[in-house]
Amino acid sequence: QVQLVQSGTEVRKPGASVKVSCKASGFSFTAHFVHWVRQAPGQGLEWMGWINTNTGDTDYAQKFQGRVTMASDRSINTADMELSRLSSDDTAVYYCARIGHHLVQVSGTTADAFDIWGQGTVVTVSS
Amino acid sequence: DIQMTHSPSSLSASVGDRVTITCRASQAISTYLNWYQQKPGEAPKLLIYAASSLYTGVPSRFSGSGSGTEFTLTITSLQPEDFATYYCQQSYRSPYTFGQGTKMEIK
Repeated sequence: QVQLVQSGTEVRKPGASVKVSCKASGFSFTAHFVHWVRQAPGQGLEWMGWINTNTGDTDYAQKFQGRVTMASDRSINTADMELSRLSSDDTAVYYCARIGHHLVQVSGTTADAFDIWGQGTVVTVSS
Repeated sequence: DIQMTHSPSSLSASVGDRVTITCRASQAISTYLNWYQQKPGEAPKLLIYAASSLYTGVPSRFSGSGSGTEFTLTITSLQPEDFATYYCQQSYRSPYTFGQGTKMEIK
């Protein structure tokens, strides 16, 4: 079935880096951008950036510029997100999400929305 | 960045109630507005895209409306499984910001 499956729980010390993987199945991987969203404990959703899985182009939220790297490997239908120089503020659940293109009946145009999400990866940063 | 603001931030309602959540954008975003539902320990799920289009498999008691800067999500006849947190998200321009969410609790 159409799904994104993420790698498992990670624990890191402050200053370290973490890489989270997101494996796609059931759909054409290169037809959809993959976005990354995180959620700190008890908080809302925070958009981090996207990767064009076909070209490798990326767009990162300014907050994470210089600290985040998103990559994809078309041969194994996997997108990765690496975050460096971790602090306790980076403790969160990290989600990958597919952008789907959906028909808007009223206008006949298409609209983008996060229609498939990974299950989330818990990243804990603690000394 | 485009700021998205929910109101209310939380609400209490009963099974069978009709509820409306509002999301306001800090600048006009046409109908580039999506709604998601999230339950504790789960990933968000898409409910509504393009402000008013119901995503596949979502019950018809959910509906969305609005354009420009003001949007609403309405749930008619609340069901027990609808008690969750709801987020709006704009897809007009990067960064694709979310609202802070509206937590719906059982009265």
